[in-house]
Amino acid sequence: AQSVTQPDIHITVSEGASLELRCNYSYGATPYLFWYVQSPGQGLQLLLKYFSGDTLVQGIKGFEAEFKRSQSSFNLRKPSVHWSDAAEYFCAVGASGSARQLTFGSGTQLTVLP
Amino acid sequence: GEEVAQTPKHLVRGEGQKAKLYCAPIKGHSYVFWYQQVLKNEFKFLISFQNENVFDETGMPKERFSAKCLPNSPCSLEIQATKLEDSAVYFCASSREGTLNTEAFFGQGTRLTVV
Repeated sequence: AQSVTQPDIHITVSEGASLELRCNYSYGATPYLFWYVQSPGQGLQLLLKYFSGDTLVQGIKGFEAEFKRSQSSFNLRKPSVHWSDAAEYFCAVGASGSARQLTFGSGTQLTVLP
Repeated sequence: GEEVAQTPKHLVRGEGQKAKLYCAPIKGHSYVFWYQQVLKNEFKFLISFQNENVFDETGMPKERFSAKCLPNSPCSLEIQATKLEDSAVYFCASSREGTLNTEAFFGQGTRLTVV
């Protein structure tokens, strides 16, 4: 069975600083990997996804993530954080053929200081 | 519609009462998924549908939980005889296809509080 670990429960950065949110996964084959963002009282919004091909994927809102098979990681990055990026971020993994039974990490709460 | 609509937004039930949650998927989407978010962070997959057919129900608790997607009606998730531990936010998502490379769109969730 697949699993996802987000080691950082809470991260605080200053506006304009760079950001990296960590995600490690466990899955036997090539995983389908996702990053979602959840703002307070809102549903999940997809930031980006990786299935195959280029290991550096670009997403919405200036986010990118890099798939590193050797490290079983899919870390999310943003070069310059904006105050509106404050939210909860979830990494998720899906098994091919499972019709979207995603396994989510426990989330990382991002606080942005002015 | 252009977004996944979940109703109600908040639901309070006394322990032992029934709870029923609704989800209207985006028009044209054939797949519907239900997730349970407990303690703010932990998401758990419950069940998925392809049109009105159950596609994957491996996450559904064996007792008290049931779900339906009937033609021309919102999908529903029903909890019989609610327990305190059922308190959670229940998210519904829909997608055009069932494959993982098709984006799923999430609703805003229904917060169920069992008292």
